[in-house]
Amino acid sequence: QKEVEQNSGPLSVPEGAIASLNCTYSDRGSQSFFWYRQYSGKSPELIMFIYSNGDKEDGRFTAQLNKASQYVSLLIRDSQPSDSATYLCALNFGNEKLTFGTGTRLTIIP
Amino acid sequence: DAMVIQNPRYQVTQFGKPVTLSCSQTLNHNVMYWYQQKSSQAPKLLFHYYDKDFNNEADTPDNFQSRRPNTSFCFLDIRSPGLGDAAMYLCATTEGAQETQYFGPGTRLLVL
Repeated sequence: QKEVEQNSGPLSVPEGAIASLNCTYSDRGSQSFFWYRQYSGKSPELIMFIYSNGDKEDGRFTAQLNKASQYVSLLIRDSQPSDSATYLCALNFGNEKLTFGTGTRLTIIP
Repeated sequence: DAMVIQNPRYQVTQFGKPVTLSCSQTLNHNVMYWYQQKSSQAPKLLFHYYDKDFNNEADTPDNFQSRRPNTSFCFLDIRSPGLGDAAMYLCATTEGAQETQYFGPGTRLLVL
């Protein structure tokens, strides 16, 4: 069974610090990796996607993928209160379906 | 401009009274999905259409049905809603395999 694991949190980070969110997965066949942000009562919003090993940066966000160790992480630099949300890791195993983790609730403390 | 539109945003129905949720997209994507999400849980895929091909998840109750009359529209029918069906229902679209899924704003369903 293909599984995606995330620490449910809550993860509390001071404003201005780096928030680090992690996701591990069980299937080495995973091909595409996505991070979604979901505010309470809202729908998921794409933050980043990554396909290749290494780092991918977009503004304050960096996604890191290590296929050998089967983890993908999201770093948020200079954390802002508006970053407080649940972050969902999602993986694609080569077809058109995503498998989601249960999400990590992040709180940025002013 | 909204790319994935869901109507209504909030729906209240009575126990056992059929309800239909609507999703439309302006992206011309091939694939449309319906997810159910309950509080503090991950989105749960109910079914999806790849073009006209319907793909049902094995654990989706028979109470849930879907229709896709054309590329732009997809409907979720709940034939006899129970209290346990109260949730956020999310529609999403994508161009194809391994591509990004884009979510609509969701419809929050309340069953009385």
